[in-house]
Amino acid sequence: GAGVSQTPSNKVTEKGKYVELRCDPISGHTALYWYRQSLGQGPEFLIYFQGTGAADDSGLPNDRFFAVRPEGSVSTLKIQRTERGDSAVYLCASSLLGTGGEAFFGQGTRLTVV
Amino acid sequence: AQKITQTQPGMFVQEKEAVTLDCTYDTSDQSYGLFWYKQPSSGEMIFLIYQGSYDEQNATEGRYSLNFQKARKSANLVISASQLGDSAMYFCAMREGLFFNGGSQGNLIFGKGTKLSVKP
Repeated sequence: GAGVSQTPSNKVTEKGKYVELRCDPISGHTALYWYRQSLGQGPEFLIYFQGTGAADDSGLPNDRFFAVRPEGSVSTLKIQRTERGDSAVYLCASSLLGTGGEAFFGQGTRLTVV
Repeated sequence: AQKITQTQPGMFVQEKEAVTLDCTYDTSDQSYGLFWYKQPSSGEMIFLIYQGSYDEQNATEGRYSLNFQKARKSANLVISASQLGDSAMYFCAMREGLFFNGGSQGNLIFGKGTKLSVKP
C-alpha cells in the first residue's frame, strides 16, 4: 500500500498477557517511530528506528516494552505482562532520512487491556 | 517544562471565517522544525505544514499558514476560510536538532492539542 499500515486496528487483551503490534512503513522510508496516545492527549514518543537499529528508545516506559525492526522495514512493538494503564492508541510513523522531517502516520492500533 | 504548549483546549469558528490556533515552544537548540498535524475522529494524523527555524518566510500550504515568531517562540496555525471538514484535533509538534539542510533524525514532540469545531 501507499501509506503506513498498522495491524491489528483494535486489540483487546487480558491483563498480564503478551501482545505484538505491527507496523509496515512506507516503502523506502528509513526512519520509523512508535508513539502512544492516551485519550485527550497528544502522541507521546516511545522509540525511533533508523534502519534496523533503535536510534532512540528513551520513550519506552519500562522494560515490558520492546520493539524490533529486523530487516529495516516492518517493525513490531511488543508489550509483556500488559497492564490496564497500557491501554491507548499506538501510532506508528515513518519518514525519509535527510528530509525536513514530515512523518507519515498510520491509523494506529487501539489497545485495550481488561 | 512543557516543550510544546497549546493553550486552547477547544475552539469554535464559523464556517468560512479564519481561525488561529496557538502554539508556543521551548527549546535551546538553534536548529529545529515546527509542525502542525490534524487528527480527525478517524484517528489518523495528517501532516499540514512545516516551518524550519532557519526559514525566514512564514510557511503556507493552501488554506494553512504558520505565523512563525521566533523571538516569542510561537508558531501559530492560521486556517483561512474554515470548512466543516476542518473540525478535528490539531496538534503542534517540534523536532529539535535539525541539520542545516533540513535533514533530521529526531523524534517529534507533540502538544496536547486543540479541538476545533466549525459551525455551519
